[in-house]
Amino acid sequence: GAVVSQHPSWVICKSGTSVKIECRSLDFQATTMFWYRQFPKQSLMLMATSNEGSKATYEQGVEKDKFLINHASLTLSTLTVTSAHPEDSSFYICSAGTGEYQPQHFGDGTRLSIL
Amino acid sequence: GQNIDQPTEMTATEGAIVQINCTYQTSGFNGLFWYQQHAGEAPTFLSYNVLDGLEEKGRFSSFLSRSKGYSYLLLKELQMKDSASYLCAVKDSNYQLIWGAGTKLIIKP
Repeated sequence: GAVVSQHPSWVICKSGTSVKIECRSLDFQATTMFWYRQFPKQSLMLMATSNEGSKATYEQGVEKDKFLINHASLTLSTLTVTSAHPEDSSFYICSAGTGEYQPQHFGDGTRLSIL
Repeated sequence: GQNIDQPTEMTATEGAIVQINCTYQTSGFNGLFWYQQHAGEAPTFLSYNVLDGLEEKGRFSSFLSRSKGYSYLLLKELQMKDSASYLCAVKDSNYQLIWGAGTKLIIKP
């Protein structure tokens, strides 16, 4: 149980393009999902907490207008990287948990390359 | 501030046992989690401790001492596929996961 699906796995696109990444909880409902970013050989960095039916909570230093998060249902959260630039190239990973005391389970991640 | 410390890198031999330590200082405690992350992949959940003591799951065991702010992950009968980063994370009083930087484990034949 507790399977999280993330799509797409890889994105390569031109600078200035907006990219949408989907995160779905397949066999459970997730009122909260989390979006992380990880640069090569670095730690996971929490970008934002996505709350179903309300605004996302962003970590300090993360631009809300650049990284748009929508959590429209209990099984789907999306992250849109708007007007992406080469410095946005990274590994983006979502996660969700089944409860406050339960572990977070991760999607397989999306590798984003902006040319 | 909140802080989780674990060694940056460890090396062990195939077939041996290795212990990866994690110490934490957080505002509140609602569980400690260990994850495995292979290079280029997302983390996968390994174990969870909320009470003091040892939790065993096959070749992997995790120990917790809340009074000492300390945990370890024990890997037995090491295999080459165990080469990965091992991440320690603690849920604080707000149920937010605080992550360690990870320990890169290198397994040698």
